[in-house]
This record gives sequence, C-alpha cells and structure tokens, in this order.
Amino acid sequence: EVQMLESGGGLVQPGESLRLSCAASGFTFSGYAMSWVRQGPGKGLEWVSSISNTGSITYYADSVEGRFTISRDNSKNTLDLQMNSLRAEDTAVYYCVGGYFFDWWGQGTLVTVSS
Amino acid sequence: DVVMTQSPLSLPVTLGQAASISCRSSQSLVYTAGDIYLNWFQQRPGQSPRRLIYKVSKRDSGVPDRFSGSGSGTDFTLKISRVEAEDVGVYYCMQGTQWPRITFGQGTRLEIK
Repeated sequence: EVQMLESGGGLVQPGESLRLSCAASGFTFSGYAMSWVRQGPGKGLEWVSSISNTGSITYYADSVEGRFTISRDNSKNTLDLQMNSLRAEDTAVYYCVGGYFFDWWGQGTLVTVSS
Repeated sequence: DVVMTQSPLSLPVTLGQAASISCRSSQSLVYTAGDIYLNWFQQRPGQSPRRLIYKVSKRDSGVPDRFSGSGSGTDFTLKISRVEAEDVGVYYCMQGTQWPRITFGQGTRLEIK
C-alpha cells in the first residue's frame, strides 16, 4: 500500500522559514518524480514544485521561485520542501504527491503564515 | 501556462441520477506521441485529493465503474452514471501534458439535492 506522510507544518510569521518533509513507502521511490501541491483555505489546488526521480532536475511555480527549494533523498525515501521568506499568501495545506501524473497524495500538512 | 476551465462550479444532483462535469483547456493537451495527459481527481470533505481518471479515460484501481472520462483536444468530460452519497465532494481536472507546469481546474462541488 502506498503511503506518504507529510510533517513540518505549523504557524510562522511573515519572512520566516519552514521545512516540510514527506516520508514515502509502498512504491519504488527512486523511480518516480515527486511534487508538492498546495491548497489555500477554501481554495483549489495549486502546483508548487516538482523534482525528477534522480533529484537532478527541479521545477518551481513562479509564485515560489527563488524562495522554496525542493529536494529528495532516495536512500531514505524522503522528499523535502525548504520554504524561506514566507508570505501570508503561502498559507495552505501542502500535499506531497508521488508520480509524474500525480498518482498518490499524502494527507497534507498545514502551513500558516501570520503575524 | 495552460488554463483549465471547469463547468459547472456547483452541481446539485439527486441520488441515483447522472452527473456530468466539463473541463476545457486553453490549448490542445495532445502530447507529441498522441497521448493526452488529462486527469480527474475527487476530494471528499476533509480528505486529500484522490485520482480517479488518468489519460482522459483510464480509471484508477478501486474506482467504481460508474465514473467515466472522455474527451479529446481541449474538451473533456467526467461522468458519474448514478450518483451515490459517497460521491459528494469537489472534482478537479488537471492537465499533465505541460509537465511539470501542471495546472488544475477551479473545481466543481458536487452535492446531493
């Protein structure tokens, strides 16, 4: 059974940093691209970032380019998202998503950016 | 980026009746090999999204056969043949043809009348 467990969410002030992590199991982690998708309060889904299966190529939405960094450790089956210079508009539930075509989703972790 | 437009945004349906959701893309989703990377997701209240359909019409494992997807080019449809109470939630289309610049539709909220 595929499982993805996010952690690291919380309440931070604008300008602060936060690191999200995702522990994946139940599939060959190193064979698949991984992504982060977020959902603001009462809003729809927004792609944030993706990383190739080897970790050599990363992609970012314009809204987070230069502030967020995605990384993975294929030896530990983990995916991370380092979020710097957080803004109020980054407030959302962040989902870890596995597969090139968004096959598997975690339960999400809530990030709240507020003073 | 490809803009995905869903309609309707709200869909009240009587139990046992059929439901249909439209999704239109701002440009063709046909990939170079002829494949179309159009997915449908269901998000039940309080849950994370779950993929129902991939590549326009292929049902994911465990998805009831009352769900079906169709379409081509820029116009796509998700149909539920007989709505059940467990189908309540928000449905999203998503294009993957421009991967990694994935885009989602706004979502369609299905409710029981």
